[in-house]
Amino acid sequence: EPEVTQTPSHQVTQMGQEVILRCVPISNHLYFYWYRQILGQKVEFLVSFYNNEISEKSEIFDDQFSVERPDGSNFTLKIRSTKLEDSAMYFCASTEQGLGTTEAFFGQGTRLTVV
Amino acid sequence: SQKIEQNSEALNIQEGKTATLTCNYTNYSPAYLQWYRQDPGRGPVFLLLIRENEKEKRKERLKVTFDTTLKQSLFHITASQPADSATYLCALDHYGGSQGNLIFGKGTKLSVKP
Repeated sequence: EPEVTQTPSHQVTQMGQEVILRCVPISNHLYFYWYRQILGQKVEFLVSFYNNEISEKSEIFDDQFSVERPDGSNFTLKIRSTKLEDSAMYFCASTEQGLGTTEAFFGQGTRLTVV
Repeated sequence: SQKIEQNSEALNIQEGKTATLTCNYTNYSPAYLQWYRQDPGRGPVFLLLIRENEKEKRKERLKVTFDTTLKQSLFHITASQPADSATYLCALDHYGGSQGNLIFGKGTKLSVKP
């Protein structure tokens, strides 16, 4: 069964520090996404990425956030200067086709704790 | 504004019964609706997708209906088991299934008691 893998599973960082969350999407998938879930709240869309560029982003995805596909397998989310309110589970997802038309495969998440 | 409501935060049922979860939406016209399962501390796992021109979809003990007039989807688990205990998320496509994104409801936490 193919799967999306995320590392690390848990990251603790000091406020103001930069963090990079890593994801390896499913190999033949073309669309990549980051979502986040603050404890007890709903899963929220951050950004979608296709053909080496951002195709859509939410208002949460401000200038502090960036995404990159540095090579053929990894997909990263960088938070430049973390704030306390960035503490959440961050999920990477990938799809074969555009999200909505087909099932999304989610990773197990990275729990980010900003102290 | 656009809203997705899963109108039970929690649902407790007895093993063997049918669980029915509801998803209502306003100010959307989704072409697709999906249901996911989420276990504590884990990522969502896809269960079923239904298109706007489909009234019903089944997969093993799962059944989903999609009523675009009522703006509602019902998700049924028949012959429920304790292993079905989890949070179930309804999700709608935001831009008609192109390169858009999924908008999730807050979820319904299902507990199946033996």
